[in-house]
Amino acid sequence: EIVLTQSPGTLSLSPGERATLSCRASQSVNSNYLAWNQQKPGQAPRLLIYGASSRATGIPDRFSGSGSGTDFTLTISRLEPEDFAVYYCQQYGSTGYTFGQGTKLEIK
Amino acid sequence: QVQLQESGPGLVKPSETLSLTCTVSGGSVSSGSYYWNWIRQPPGKGLEWIAYISYSGSTNYNPSLKSRVTISVDTSKNQFSLTLRAVTAADTALYYCARDRWVEYSSDWNYYGMDVWGQGTTVTVS
Repeated sequence: EIVLTQSPGTLSLSPGERATLSCRASQSVNSNYLAWNQQKPGQAPRLLIYGASSRATGIPDRFSGSGSGTDFTLTISRLEPEDFAVYYCQQYGSTGYTFGQGTKLEIK
Repeated sequence: QVQLQESGPGLVKPSETLSLTCTVSGGSVSSGSYYWNWIRQPPGKGLEWIAYISYSGSTNYNPSLKSRVTISVDTSKNQFSLTLRAVTAADTALYYCARDRWVEYSSDWNYYGMDVWGQGTTVTVS
């Protein structure tokens, strides 16, 4: 099973700042099969990025994804108040899907 | 616009069987390229994928749950379901259904992510 480790666990930033979230895999991941999801309190997760770098429908261009192999990054260029949430990376491998443990992005 | 709605008992006794249903509206469970998933989230914790069933009926299960889980589809009702046997307190969670999409291109596959989620249904084992 591929284990995804996200860092940091919690990221404290202010609106307008740039956020960089990391997702590291225990073995190489097909970048076509790597996604990022956002979850706000009391809500279902929402797809942000698929294929490591493609934005889902309706996702603002301040969100971008990059990476390959075992290292992937979600970047939010300028934080808006609505961006403070928990972010999960997700991959598909030989044993199905796994999620990272999440990064909580909180207001500083 | 496709919408998903989970339904289930809310409370299940230890050792019993949990059955959940996800009703699909605005689209068909038989639509090509789509896969139908169950994911759960224990209180205060992260996401755990449970299983999927494809538009063609193929299935895949989380190895850690495989021995206790069955996923199925009822095309006449446009629903898919999850059965989880021999539940314990560790199965207490918010259970989501979600749709994702796979498209084959030139002997490889492109994955388009879980783009539609239900609102979730809470299951307590006690």
